[in-house]
Amino acid sequence: GENVGLHLPTLSVQEGDNSIINCAYSNSASDYFIWYKQESGKGPQFIIDIRSNMDKRQGQRVTVLLNKTVKHLSLQIAATQPGDSAVYFCAENGGNAGNMLTFGGGTRLMVKP
Amino acid sequence: DGGITQSPKYLFRKEGQNVTLSCEQNLNHDAMYWYRQDPGQGLRLIYYSQIVNDFQKGDIAEGYSVSREKKESFPLTVTSAQKNPTAFYLCASSISSFPRSPLHFGNGTRLTVT
Repeated sequence: GENVGLHLPTLSVQEGDNSIINCAYSNSASDYFIWYKQESGKGPQFIIDIRSNMDKRQGQRVTVLLNKTVKHLSLQIAATQPGDSAVYFCAENGGNAGNMLTFGGGTRLMVKP
Repeated sequence: DGGITQSPKYLFRKEGQNVTLSCEQNLNHDAMYWYRQDPGQGLRLIYYSQIVNDFQKGDIAEGYSVSREKKESFPLTVTSAQKNPTAFYLCASSISSFPRSPLHFGNGTRLTVT
């Protein structure tokens, strides 16, 4: 798609398997983290968020894990479906007072039927 | 339906011309943002506005300008001073009164300058 990178890290999984997408964040002051899904030609879509006072949060078929010690965030998608194929971005707020987010470079998830 | 509308979806301009990208939201959000996305990179913040008649530069504001005359609208002008304007531009909004809240994005405008 026009707005997804040609050289993004890619994760390829079989339909029905679980997916784990990883993200290393940079700012130890960040206290709010979000995962977004972006399909080709569209804007990012909110998936799940987590605050720094938590280390795990679950949604529908998705789980976000936060490890502040190593500044690592992961998104787990259970029973991955073809509709999950997209580019996934993590974002951190840098501890700022507003909602300005800094985004990671993205990971492309490809689901094989 | 509440949401963010960006128009047009595709925009073509000649080098040296200024161009304005539209962003309208009906979510009653106080804060609005402009991000730029290039292939192989994440989103980078251009400008943001937390209230009407106020806005702040983001990480890559050079060559861009904005205005915030109405709560619902946050147009972005890409000026001829922007050295590499071809990109995918995304507008977003959020609730200012709740700082740890997600940004909601529009579906972007793809700008091509030749």
